[in-house]
Amino acid sequence: DGGITQSPKYLFRKEGQNVTLSCEQNLNHDAMYWYRQDPGQGLRLIYYSQIVNDFQKGDIAEGYSVSREKKESFPLTVTSAQKNPTAFYLCATHPSGLAGGLGEQYFGPGTRLTVT
Amino acid sequence: AQKVTQAQTEISVVEKEDVTLDCVYETRDTTYYLFWYKQPPSGELVFLIRRNSFDEQNEISGRYSWNFQKSTSSFNFTITASQVVDSAVYFCALSEAQSTNDYKLSFGAGTTVTVRA
Repeated sequence: DGGITQSPKYLFRKEGQNVTLSCEQNLNHDAMYWYRQDPGQGLRLIYYSQIVNDFQKGDIAEGYSVSREKKESFPLTVTSAQKNPTAFYLCATHPSGLAGGLGEQYFGPGTRLTVT
Repeated sequence: AQKVTQAQTEISVVEKEDVTLDCVYETRDTTYYLFWYKQPPSGELVFLIRRNSFDEQNEISGRYSWNFQKSTSSFNFTITASQVVDSAVYFCALSEAQSTNDYKLSFGAGTTVTVRA
């Protein structure tokens, strides 16, 4: 099946712990994105990567880190420095990276992170 | 500054009524795309429609239609003869070029649509 996989769907952590959210895709898309969604708000961009071994900060990168060692994978680490980590996290992909692409992004099923 | 504004927070209708969702955007680019996404209770965002800035022709696709007006920077979306399965959060989004190789999506806050049987 082609698509975007995010695991797990629900994740619980204690405050002060780092946690890594997984995002894997087999669509052969160049660009990958991480968004955060809070209740009553739209999606806010955390980090994005247009090509392997390269990534850029989005609008709310503080307290997060990413890596892009493989085209298929773009894991997001929520560090203890993130003051309000409880949220719904969505991963997305886009076919074109540096080649440019104004078109639609494709989204994974999301991971709901709860930190107590 | 908010690039995409969805003024309606929640809309509740009875099945078979039409629902129109408002979206106003802001950009300095001449080339951009606008989208509508649907987020059902499962959480995954589903792409619905896309419009580029050079095509103001309004279209109908099944029960969905959209009204794109550059003069008012609006991209409204209508669901005709709503069904219970249309209940979801709907997001309007704008894709514009931040630079030559840098494209990002800006989302509105979303409109929650509830269709009652």
